Amino acid sequence: DSGVTQTPKHLITATGQRVTLRCSPRSGDLSVYWYQQSLDQGLQFLIQYYNGEERAKGNILERFSAQQFPDLHSELNLSSLELGDSALYFCASSFRGEYNEQFFGPGTRLTVL
Amino acid sequence: AQSVSQHNHHVILSEAASLELGCNYSYGGTVNLFWYVQYPGQHLQLLLKYFSGDPLVKGIKGFEAEFIKSKFSFNLRKPSVQWSDTAEYFCAVMGGSSNTGKLIFGQGTTLQVKP
Repeated sequence: DSGVTQTPKHLITATGQRVTLRCSPRSGDLSVYWYQQSLDQGLQFLIQYYNGEERAKGNILERFSAQQFPDLHSELNLSSLELGDSALYFCASSFRGEYNEQFFGPGTRLTVL
Repeated sequence: AQSVSQHNHHVILSEAASLELGCNYSYGGTVNLFWYVQYPGQHLQLLLKYFSGDPLVKGIKGFEAEFIKSKFSFNLRKPSVQWSDTAEYFCAVMGGSSNTGKLIFGQGTTLQVKP
């Protein structure tokens, strides 16, 4: 157990819908990262938050957005879902950012039908 | 742009065989390097990391990796694999100068160890 929790574990929804994935970082960690793992794209960095503020952006679609709340938990919002958004979404946390190892959560498996 | 390339996509070994998984990265600046493992149905776990210092890094479960700056490589090794090492292995790079912690992952190598 890494100490990072993600809910829900599985999510099945239809195209065009909107979903919210939730992540709670390890106690004391200030940075939260979101990654997408799919068969064709592999593991890709989406976005990083540090202490409530966006720190870095990767290959995140405009239909996707995220935020980190004052209690440091984070939510990833995916809207206007397409079949290609089906993937495993991982959250990771670290104490700060660079030079810190990241601890990964168990992931949320999203299936878009 | 940073990128990571893992040479082997699927490796099959017998127990007690030696393992070496290749990883090359492209980035001109200071890098931090990682190997993560993902056991079936589980989350990513850190095997080892390199930030600076001794280029030969020892990790958990008998794994080690060697950072060769001139070759932009960070290959993972284990002298004798076990059936329980069956998993997917990811090499990742974190660019030190970007002031973020984002990880760029390779495409992964699936290791299957036959008992």
